[in-house]
Amino acid sequence: ETGVTQTPRHLVMGMTNKKSLKCEQHLGHNAMYWYKQSAKKPLELMFVYSLEERVENNSVPSRFSPECPNSSHLFLHLHTLQPEDSALYLCASSQVLGLEAFFGQGTRLTVV
Amino acid sequence: RKEVEQDPGPFNVPEGATVAFNCTYSNSASQSFFWYRQDCRKEPKLLMSVYSSGNEDGRFTAQLNRASQYISLLIRDSKLSDSATYLCVVSDGNQFYFGTGTSLTVIP
Repeated sequence: ETGVTQTPRHLVMGMTNKKSLKCEQHLGHNAMYWYKQSAKKPLELMFVYSLEERVENNSVPSRFSPECPNSSHLFLHLHTLQPEDSALYLCASSQVLGLEAFFGQGTRLTVV
Repeated sequence: RKEVEQDPGPFNVPEGATVAFNCTYSNSASQSFFWYRQDCRKEPKLLMSVYSSGNEDGRFTAQLNRASQYISLLIRDSKLSDSATYLCVVSDGNQFYFGTGTSLTVIP
């Protein structure tokens, strides 16, 4: 399934690095999301965009910075991360806010 | 207080068994309800939406009880390929709230 694609699939970065995660959806959806999944925890919503406008920010540290240049693309810019930020980062999209969401395969991030 | 609560399991059942998962949610204004399936180290995939009237898709039946704020998933005639974590998901129209998931292993 290639409706929502994320790159890279795996990323190892040092605490002083800057990197970006990319998400692209080919479904014509209007809402996109970033989630963080850590071991033994439920998915945590990080950011929500609807029609390219950010609609939710769940008190995410400023070292995570989202960007939504158009309705098909979503980025997550990372800088000066901590080891506890190591997790699976999942992008999702839905037709509109709150309807069925479809996930990308995720980026498994390791901060060393 | 968790928005969505699920029994984490694990559930270990033999092939052919019927297994039921339950989920409760705290926000009475929740609008949409879903079950997702997540395989190990993979992304969640939509299994089915849950409607007030209940709905069935092959061996899977989902039910919603708004009064009790309770959602269920029934799997009949379990297959080995059903082994996964099942996530209960609730939406308030703006964002999704995920349960921690219920782990199912179907044993030959």
